[in-house]
Amino acid sequence: EPEVTQTPSHQVTQMGQEVILRCVPISNHLYFYWYRQILGQKVEFLVSFYNNEISEKSEIFDDQFSVERPDGSNFTLKIRSTKLEDSAMYFCASRRLAGLIYEQYFGPGTRLTVT
Amino acid sequence: DAKTTQPTSMDCAEGRAANLPCNHSTISGNEYVYWYRQIHSQGPQYIIHGLKNNETNEMASLIITEDRKSSTLILPHATLRDTAVYYCIVFNDYKLSFGAGTTVTVRA
Repeated sequence: EPEVTQTPSHQVTQMGQEVILRCVPISNHLYFYWYRQILGQKVEFLVSFYNNEISEKSEIFDDQFSVERPDGSNFTLKIRSTKLEDSAMYFCASRRLAGLIYEQYFGPGTRLTVT
Repeated sequence: DAKTTQPTSMDCAEGRAANLPCNHSTISGNEYVYWYRQIHSQGPQYIIHGLKNNETNEMASLIITEDRKSSTLILPHATLRDTAVYYCIVFNDYKLSFGAGTTVTVRA
């Protein structure tokens, strides 16, 4: 069964450094998402991406965040200058184009630790 | 998006049915009810969704009341691997808004 994959599984970085989190969505899916979950808190929506552009973003997704689909298979989340509060699990999700059906399939997540 | 109310936690005996309630009294006519679960910080996993009619798949059954103000997710034969946080989400948009969910603990 096709799955969303994410790399790396765990990323440790120093405050102020740039990180790129990578995702490979399910191949015939057209909508892509990033969510994050700070330890012990709710899963929060960050951004959705369709047709090579951002379709919606949350207040969390400020100028230090960016997303890209560089090669038709990967979907990346870049954090330009990481802060301690960016430490969280980051989940990528994708869904196929299917009218009003909004099943999103999530990857296993990347645990980002900012020190 | 309509808000949902779920119990904070519940226990279930292994092999028994687990019935997870969800209230969504402000649901509008074109909003679907979705259920996801999250097993110990893994990525959320889609379980089932419905609009008006009851639904069943290989994982669970979804019972939606006639007035659509509440629903129940049924895990017919709970196993230890079903221990997870279960989220009831109502929306007609394309982003998922997760609440705190119900922490379900299946006990042997």
